[in-house]
Amino acid sequence: GQNIDQPTEMTATEGAIVQINCTYQTSGFNGLFWYQQHAGEAPTFLSYNVLDGLEEKGRFSSFLSRSKGYSYLLLKELQMKDSASYLCAVRENDYKLSFGAGTTVTVRA
Amino acid sequence: SAVISQKPSRDICQRGTSLTIQCQVDSQVTMMFWYRQQPGQSLTLIATANQGSEATYESGFVIDKFPISRPNLTFSTLTVSNMSPEDSSIYLCSVKIAGGADTQYFGPGTRLTVL
Repeated sequence: GQNIDQPTEMTATEGAIVQINCTYQTSGFNGLFWYQQHAGEAPTFLSYNVLDGLEEKGRFSSFLSRSKGYSYLLLKELQMKDSASYLCAVRENDYKLSFGAGTTVTVRA
Repeated sequence: SAVISQKPSRDICQRGTSLTIQCQVDSQVTMMFWYRQQPGQSLTLIATANQGSEATYESGFVIDKFPISRPNLTFSTLTVSNMSPEDSSIYLCSVKIAGGADTQYFGPGTRLTVL
């Protein structure tokens, strides 16, 4: 099975940077995903890492260290619309996703 | 990416009835999954929908309660049978598309309330 941990809540100011950490313990690994989910909506794909290192996509970056079972999602130049839940999900070898509980990010003006 | 549609988008049902949720994708997909998100919680995998054969269910989910069909590569249904208020959740279809980036996408979800 999977054990995926991420902080429950984070608060930051508009224009700032926030880093959401995710640690995992898995029996198999075939990639790590980050999704954004606004209240009442479906998750939206943000990033996918399967190799170690940093993937940058605009204001969002995601990092993976497979040996440490660790990933983070970095949100830069925060905007009010970034207030949402961010879900870390690990994919096993059979392509099933296991999700962390999600991190609720609140952006203050 | 893929465009995924689900029907219905939401429904309110009476205890003891059943509801069938449809998922349609506009691309060829290799894998289709059904997830549940209970209020205030994260997503839990119900089953993998296999084309032309029985779905593969996760621990805690059974075919009698959640029958699934997948008659072709781009369409699947999930039925929530003999519903109780505990089944009130958002049900989401997820797909891994053939070719392209190795990503997985979610449909818009079906918000189910059981009275």
